[in-house]
Amino acid sequence: DAGVTQSPTHLIKTRGQQVTLRCSPKSGHDTVSWYQQALGQGPQFIFQYYEEEERQRGNFPDRFSGHQFPNYSSELNVNALLLGDSALYLCASSLEQGRKNIQYFGAGTRLSVL
Amino acid sequence: AQSVTQLGSHVSVSEGALVLLRCNYSSSVPPYLFWYVQYPNQGLQLLLKYTSAATLVKGINGFEAEFKKSETSFHLTKPSAHMSDAAEYFCAVSLSGGSQGNLIFGKGTKLSVKP
Repeated sequence: DAGVTQSPTHLIKTRGQQVTLRCSPKSGHDTVSWYQQALGQGPQFIFQYYEEEERQRGNFPDRFSGHQFPNYSSELNVNALLLGDSALYLCASSLEQGRKNIQYFGAGTRLSVL
Repeated sequence: AQSVTQLGSHVSVSEGALVLLRCNYSSSVPPYLFWYVQYPNQGLQLLLKYTSAATLVKGINGFEAEFKKSETSFHLTKPSAHMSDAAEYFCAVSLSGGSQGNLIFGKGTKLSVKP
């Protein structure tokens, strides 16, 4: 049973560029959440997708957007990259039905903005 | 607003000693509380969760945590540390449960285990 998979594992971009990160949820999961973890900090919630719609959003600017596909996989897009966007981006999946209340995390994508 | 405070960004113990990692939360409603562990270059792994059932929660790898409402605390303990426990530990709170609600994390505590 595959867990949460994220791609790519590492990425280097320059300021002003755009980036797309991808996430495949754990088998059977239908909800995907994205988090940003800056160096030395705890993860911060970006947004959550369920039924292909953004259900909740944290305190992140509109430069951060996402998408969920019919197969429940998800993308995180960041436009006009800033140096401060350098971080580990974590995807977490969970199952809405039955309120399992457990988010399973992928290994993350480490984004470096130069 | 909910928040989580982890006291001590770095804790060092000897192998075989008690592990105590502190977490205090702030929430206006009964919270769901979680402890996650992160090994280097890996994602987060759930250790245990509190969802308003028993106040003493047992998790994986011999860890447990006790929910104390009067102290708004959810400290993580393990009676005897192993070298393999060296990692970063995060306490998190959610109002409506991990699936519907987003998780709010503390800044983490890095645990070092000395031989």
